[in-house]
Amino acid sequence: ETGVTQSPTHLIKTRGQQVTLRCSSQSGHNTVSWYQQALGQGPQFIFQYYREEENGRGNFPPRFSGLQFPNYSSELNVNALELDDSALYLCASSLAPTSGGLQETQYFGPGTRLLVL
Amino acid sequence: GQQVMQIPQYQHVQEGEDFTTYCNSSTTLSNIQWYKQRPGGHPVFLIQLVKSGEVKKQKRLTFQFGEAKKNSSLHITATQTTDVGTYFCAGRALYSGAGSYQLTFGKGTKLSVIP
Repeated sequence: ETGVTQSPTHLIKTRGQQVTLRCSSQSGHNTVSWYQQALGQGPQFIFQYYREEENGRGNFPPRFSGLQFPNYSSELNVNALELDDSALYLCASSLAPTSGGLQETQYFGPGTRLLVL
Repeated sequence: GQQVMQIPQYQHVQEGEDFTTYCNSSTTLSNIQWYKQRPGGHPVFLIQLVKSGEVKKQKRLTFQFGEAKKNSSLHITATQTTDVGTYFCAGRALYSGAGSYQLTFGKGTKLSVIP
């Protein structure tokens, strides 16, 4: 186990609703990244938080927003849910990358499976 | 934007046969990572390659990073049923901007091993 936890494990919502997903990072990790994984696809980067600030964002609309708290746990909020938002949402924690562009190892949580009806 | 392509999409092998998946990026990468995702599970980090032409081995798994840092491969020798899963490569573009550590994942290669 990676030590990264996510809640809830499963969620069913209807179009137009709002959802909040939660992630607790591995002890000592100050960076959290969120990914969306549609069925049969690879994870797609949503955004990353480092020390409570957004540190990069993928190609997702503003209705996808996030927060990171002082204890480095994080939330992903999605407003105005659409059917295509149905997916596995993964968070991954890591230390901030070292110099030279090296990517620190990311440890993924088990994910939250969201179904939008 | 950056695209990462993986082939094949699916691979069925007899137990004991070898398996290779290939990863190609539309842009030069600063590093590439490989992950394994078991059915119903989450991606698990396998390895990171950083240097041009780098080769790393983990038991029966051999990872290569191309000289131009735009492609990579994962080779498994003598597959076992425990190798079943989807293998993803994920790369970070060389010039993705200060403070951005976006990883772009390929669509993965789903490996089935027939006992």
